[in-house]
Amino acid sequence: NAGVTQTPKFQVLKTGQSMTLQCAQDMNHNSMYWYRQDPGMGLRLIYYSASEGTTDKGEVPNGYNVSRLNKREFSLRLESAAPSQTSVYFCASSGPGQGNTIYFGEGSWLTVV
Amino acid sequence: SQELEQSPQSLIVQEGKNLTINCTSSKTLYGLYWYKQKYGEGLIFLMMLQKGGEEKSHEKITAKLDEKKQQSSLHITASQPSHAGIYLCGADAHGSGNTGKLIFGQGTTLQVKP
Repeated sequence: NAGVTQTPKFQVLKTGQSMTLQCAQDMNHNSMYWYRQDPGMGLRLIYYSASEGTTDKGEVPNGYNVSRLNKREFSLRLESAAPSQTSVYFCASSGPGQGNTIYFGEGSWLTVV
Repeated sequence: SQELEQSPQSLIVQEGKNLTINCTSSKTLYGLYWYKQKYGEGLIFLMMLQKGGEEKSHEKITAKLDEKKQQSSLHITASQPSHAGIYLCGADAHGSGNTGKLIFGQGTTLQVKP
């Protein structure tokens, strides 16, 4: 019963490097999300995908790209990492039949130096 | 856009004491979610409230949504160290209750002293 799985758990990047955060869910959910969590800022939505093949910007999309590879997977890419992107990233998913409750992964700690 | 304000931002209580965390919205809430987060872990879903006046309980945690659907409270009875963590309220970003896109309050950090 994996739920939402995201990798890697920890990553240190140098400014300007690129990387992709991977996320997969096994609950047959239609919607998937990427959030970032910063001290004093709560959780902020970066991008979301309402269904396979569609993506939309959230509150803080600048500097990120996403891909909804299939129904299970939703990846977040940092093309040129900046120190301001140091954060904890959470992937989440939700689906019909569960009141649109969102289920979260365990988080990915990203440090950009 | 809708905003959620949580209070207090942090709370330290003695084990066994009761406590309340509030979540106030600038707009009508059509779906209010409570999550708990332990440091270094993901968010755990606690409860969802949709109807004005609704109240739900799980073990020693009770959540209520007021009649006007603009404020929710989370009440913990006889707190235990296992209740420590960050509590976050979330609500549908568009206020329709159906998008699944949640916005969150800043969180309330709870410490329970043994």
